[in-house]
Amino acid sequence: DGGITQSPKYLFRKEGQNVTLSCEQNLNHDAMYWYRQDPGQGLRLIYYSQIVNDFQKGDIAEGYSVSREKKESFPLTVTSAQKNPTAFYLCASSSRALGAGNTIYFGEGSWLTVV
Amino acid sequence: GQQLNQSPQSMFIQEGEDVSMNCTSSSIFNTWLWYKQDPGEGPVLLIALYKAGELTSNGRLTAQFGITRKDSFLNISASIPSDVGIYFCAGLNSGGSNYKLTFGKGTLLTVNP
Repeated sequence: DGGITQSPKYLFRKEGQNVTLSCEQNLNHDAMYWYRQDPGQGLRLIYYSQIVNDFQKGDIAEGYSVSREKKESFPLTVTSAQKNPTAFYLCASSSRALGAGNTIYFGEGSWLTVV
Repeated sequence: GQQLNQSPQSMFIQEGEDVSMNCTSSSIFNTWLWYKQDPGEGPVLLIALYKAGELTSNGRLTAQFGITRKDSFLNISASIPSDVGIYFCAGLNSGGSNYKLTFGKGTLLTVNP
């Protein structure tokens, strides 16, 4: 099936540990994104990548890191520097820049809980 | 970052009723998107709007791109129980990056059978 695959779906982490969330897409999209969702809040952009080997900070990048070594993969690392990491994380992709008939598609999300 | 004002925050309606929700902004947008999110899942695109004044339907859903380019609404007609979920608007600011969507906080819709 074509789409965006996030793993794991549920992840528990001890405070002080880094954790990496996986995102893979087989849509041949150039751009990929990571969003964070908290209850009662809209989605907030963490990082995005327009193309392989490039990525840009979003609105809430502090405490997170990403890499884009392959077109189909955009893993997100939640570092111990992220003060409030418990949240629902959504990966997304678009074939190119948004607008003008181009839209963004989401994966099914990953729940991260820090204990 | 910029936020969209989405209202209402929540709605509780009877099956068969029509629903309307909207998003407004103080700045101009050149794209409006409407998504539905089921609990624990990723948002799914419902309707995309790219031109001011555009009115687009998708089954029982209708959305419009406001003529001022600062608002959009979504209507759902003859609601059914599976319409339950959170509906988000998202917009692309005409003066910003073409990779950074702004999201509303969502409208939680509950449909009573």
